[in-house]
Amino acid sequence: GAVVSQHPSRVICKSGTSVKIECRSLDFQATTMFWYRQFPKQSLMLMATSNEGSKATYEQGVEKDKFLINHASLTLSTLTVTSAHPEDSSFYICSARVSNNQPQHFGDGTRLSIL
Amino acid sequence: EDQVTQSPEALRLQEGESSSLNCSYTVSGLRGLFWYRQDPGKGPEFLFTLYSAGEEKEKERLKATLTKKESFLHITAPKPEDSATYLCAVQGNQFYFGTGTSLTVIP
Repeated sequence: GAVVSQHPSRVICKSGTSVKIECRSLDFQATTMFWYRQFPKQSLMLMATSNEGSKATYEQGVEKDKFLINHASLTLSTLTVTSAHPEDSSFYICSARVSNNQPQHFGDGTRLSIL
Repeated sequence: EDQVTQSPEALRLQEGESSSLNCSYTVSGLRGLFWYRQDPGKGPEFLFTLYSAGEEKEKERLKATLTKKESFLHITAPKPEDSATYLCAVQGNQFYFGTGTSLTVIP
């Protein structure tokens, strides 16, 4: 149980392209979903927290107009990287949880490469 | 200030050589402490949740324990397939990840 599916697993695209990443909780309803970014050999850096039907809460330094988050249902959240540039290249990981004393369950990440 | 510190940063073990990873935390109102395993290029895989001091959880060669200040992940007779980065996280008013321990088990 507690499976989170993230798609796509890898994206390579040209600078200026917008990229959408999907995160789905397959066998549970997630009241909260999270988006992280991870640089090589570093821990996960929280970008934003989203609750179903509400606006996402962004961490300090994360541009909300750059990283658009939609949490339309209890099983789906999307992250759109708008007008991506090479510095946006990274490993993006989503997670989902049922409640705040339950563990977050993670997707397998999306490797984004902007040329 | 809330924080989570993991040690050591990296650990190399011979196959069969048992050891422990440490997660020290300072957090207001602990709601849960979580252990994850992360393989390269993958998202973290959930291992254990611990809620209160004295609690222990076990799964195969792994055993997690919790006190009021720290948690240990004990690895008994590790195998090469146990090689990964092990992450500790705590949920207080916010969710905090430690920086992880990179474990390498040598055959």
